[in-house]
Amino acid sequence: DIQMTQSPSSLSASVGDRVTITCRASQSITYFLNWYQQKPGKAPKLLIYAASTLQSGVPSRFSGSGSATDFTLTISSLQPEDFATYYCQQSYSTPWTFGQGTKVEIK
Amino acid sequence: QVQLQASGPGLVKPSQTLSLTCTVSGVSISSGGYYWTWIRQHPGKGLEWIGYISYSGSTYYNPSLESRVTISVDTSKNQFSLKLSSVTAADTAVYYCARARNYYDGSYSYLTFDMWGQGTMVTVSS
Repeated sequence: DIQMTQSPSSLSASVGDRVTITCRASQSITYFLNWYQQKPGKAPKLLIYAASTLQSGVPSRFSGSGSATDFTLTISSLQPEDFATYYCQQSYSTPWTFGQGTKVEIK
Repeated sequence: QVQLQASGPGLVKPSQTLSLTCTVSGVSISSGGYYWTWIRQHPGKGLEWIGYISYSGSTYYNPSLESRVTISVDTSKNQFSLKLSSVTAADTAVYYCARARNYYDGSYSYLTFDMWGQGTMVTVSS
């Protein structure tokens, strides 16, 4: 199985901050990388697919980059509604696997 | 709009079979291009893909659960179901049903979980 490792596990930030979350795959997954946002008690929501393509309806302050084994999710200016847990997920090969999550908390 | 809703018992005894159903609205479950999927999340933990059934009825399961999992579809009710046998406390989790779809960029198809149900908590306890 491809292991997905996110860093940091949690971070504290203020509204307006630029936030970057990293995801590393245990082998090359080219661009087969998705990002999800999950708020407490809710299902995850797809933000980005193919490493950098924004899902329809997702604000442009979210962006993704990277390839092969190293990927980043960036929130350019953190908004109150962005405090949540973020997961990366590889769709390169089955079983599809997720990172352990990064919790973005209010400073 | 497309909605998925998972339902089933919230409490299952150890060694028994967990059974959940996902009711889909807004799209026919037998329409092409989708994979109807189950994913679970252990309390306070990350996400684990369990398996899927395709629009054609083919299935694929996570090898870590394959010996205990069955996913089936009832097109007449627009539902798909999960059965997980011989459960233990380690199967206690929130279970999500989701739709997987591919986005094609002209060269590659990128699979995503683009629609999710609200999740249902299942506790395994005597």
